[in-house]
Amino acid sequence: KAGVTQTPRYLIKTRGQQVTLSCSPISGHRSVSWYQQTPGQGLQFLFEYFSETQRNKGNFPGRFSGRQFSNSRSEMNVSTLELGDSALYLCASSEKETQYFGPGTRLLVL
Amino acid sequence: QQQVKQSPQSLIVQKGGISIINCAYENTAFDYFPWYQQFPGKGPALLIAIRPDVSEKKEGRFTISFNKSAKQFSLHIMDSQPGDSATYFCAASTSNGGSQGNLIFGKGTKLSVKP
Repeated sequence: KAGVTQTPRYLIKTRGQQVTLSCSPISGHRSVSWYQQTPGQGLQFLFEYFSETQRNKGNFPGRFSGRQFSNSRSEMNVSTLELGDSALYLCASSEKETQYFGPGTRLLVL
Repeated sequence: QQQVKQSPQSLIVQKGGISIINCAYENTAFDYFPWYQQFPGKGPALLIAIRPDVSEKKEGRFTISFNKSAKQFSLHIMDSQPGDSATYFCAASTSNGGSQGNLIFGKGTKLSVKP
């Protein structure tokens, strides 16, 4: 099976803009989770979607949102970008308990 | 409030030695404790995981020891190799509908194995 794919891999935005990141899970996986990775804060859970419904949410402001489509593909959106949003955004999919991570989208906010 | 505390931040081990990384958690509702390995430019990959009803789990050179009363768990890498040089993350989560999609990670340990 193909692994988790994320697009784009790299992105540069300026403060105040918004961005949409995409994740395609492993075929058959219905759960998709998003994480933010930064040198200072490490890996932080953003949210989890299962069958198009948000099942869990981490402690991030409302500028961070997501959605999942009927084919389990997921997108996350960050509005009104801040410098501190520069990070590696990782998507993970799972069928049961094991989460399989994609390579991430590296976002740089200038 | 950091729910999973990991130590040390960095670790240097000689080839063939034992690498030990420790984690402590606070939330007693956690019921799944995985360890992930991450190489530069890659996403984390699951190494080994344990549930609280087991005190130890071994897979090849990797062993998790779990102490429920102390709320601590650790990763032991036996016969460490230069190829093991990576960043290791412990994590914890609670069951939700059969998935563990809300992992809370430790800050990571950068392991360097010297030849």
